Amino acid sequence: GAVVSQHPSRVICKSGTSVKIECRSLDFQATTMFWYRQFPKQSLMLMATSNEGSKATYEQGVEKDKFLINHASLTLSTLTVTSAHPEDSSFYICSATRAYNEKLFFGSGTQLSVL
Amino acid sequence: EDQVTQSPEALRLQEGESSSLNCSYTVSGLRGLFWYRQDPGKGPEFLFTLYSAGEEKEKERLKATLTKKESFLHITAPKPEDSATYLCAVQSTGANSKLTFGKGITLSVRP
Repeated sequence: GAVVSQHPSRVICKSGTSVKIECRSLDFQATTMFWYRQFPKQSLMLMATSNEGSKATYEQGVEKDKFLINHASLTLSTLTVTSAHPEDSSFYICSATRAYNEKLFFGSGTQLSVL
Repeated sequence: EDQVTQSPEALRLQEGESSSLNCSYTVSGLRGLFWYRQDPGKGPEFLFTLYSAGEEKEKERLKATLTKKESFLHITAPKPEDSATYLCAVQSTGANSKLTFGKGITLSVRP
């Protein structure tokens, strides 16, 4: 099956610092990658959709200047949480799809804790 | 707006005690309904995709079914290793692969 690798799995940082999370599709080229966040006992909430070489599309209410997404190649997307604050603490999960409207393959998630 | 409601929120079963998890949905046009399994601190793992009412899919002790309003995930003779959160998601037509997820059902299977 298709494998999506996400790093780091856990990060603790001080308030005001920036954190970068990487998402790689290891054995396929991902036409589209998605970034979700998940609070305890809550749904996965889509933050943004990114296509290689173009600007990400952000969901309503997601600050594009705070959550920077770069999709530089067909196998790599990054999410940078800029000037992180405690309210940004959450579980961030990336996913990728091989083709339009095919099922999503998920990374293992990143638990971000901002002190 | 697409909506997904899963019930119950949590389910505790004895090993071998079969049961069903419910996923009710409203969507303008259904392209697909997905079931995922999520272990604590991990990303979701794909289980099934169902595309049309009447469709059924099976994998080991799990069987997923679909009607025009809901989907069921039937678990037959569960084992402790089936303990996880089960997520249901819908994808509407023209959605460019965006999925709308339910909150999930946390299943605990006691030995």
